[in-house]
Amino acid sequence: QVQLQESGPGLVKPSETLSLTCSVSGGSIINYYWSWIRQSPEKGLEWIGHTHYTGITNYNPSLKSRVAISVDRSRNQFSLKLSSVTAADTAVYYCARELNGGYDDVFDYWGQGTLVTVSS
Amino acid sequence: DIQMTQSSSTLSASVGDRVTISCRASQSISNWLAWYQQKPGRAPKLLIYKVSTLHSGVPSRFSGSGSGTEFTLTITNLQPDDFATYYCQHFYSHPLSFGGGTRVEIK
Repeated sequence: QVQLQESGPGLVKPSETLSLTCSVSGGSIINYYWSWIRQSPEKGLEWIGHTHYTGITNYNPSLKSRVAISVDRSRNQFSLKLSSVTAADTAVYYCARELNGGYDDVFDYWGQGTLVTVSS
Repeated sequence: DIQMTQSSSTLSASVGDRVTISCRASQSISNWLAWYQQKPGRAPKLLIYKVSTLHSGVPSRFSGSGSGTEFTLTITNLQPDDFATYYCQHFYSHPLSFGGGTRVEIK
């Protein structure tokens, strides 16, 4: 059974960089696309972007200038960096796997989510 | 970017009811539409993709229909475990986006 687990600081100061890691267990990171999605009361569910194990990435244009998603095949992990954060970036952040190796950009496995608060 | 709209934010229903949840896309997305169920404090769970394909392990009382811009999730014989919030998501193009959600509550 594939499991995903987010890790990283729960509190980030304004203007700093939010960094999260998603550890994948029970399956390989190879041959799939891996996404970051966030959820807040204000914006609902928002797709941030995804990465393929080959390093291919796609980002939501609304965040593209501040986002970087990378993959570490050796550790079976992928990571999110979001720079210059503001209070509007406060949300529950989820990592997720895309179904069917990326042929369908829908999410069949999700992490439990981690709340990140942006505050001084 | 494609906007997804769920017209009802809340639906009240009873166990055994048939419930329909609507979702509209701001432009045609063909059949590139998925539905998720989310319970408080939990991650969303994939129910249906490509409008009507039931994801593995999802009960057959869930079904989906529609095409183009108008889509429907139907739950027949509503069960206690089905009281939750439901989201649609398009995957026609990037950026992917979700509807605002419809909460199914106990009448």
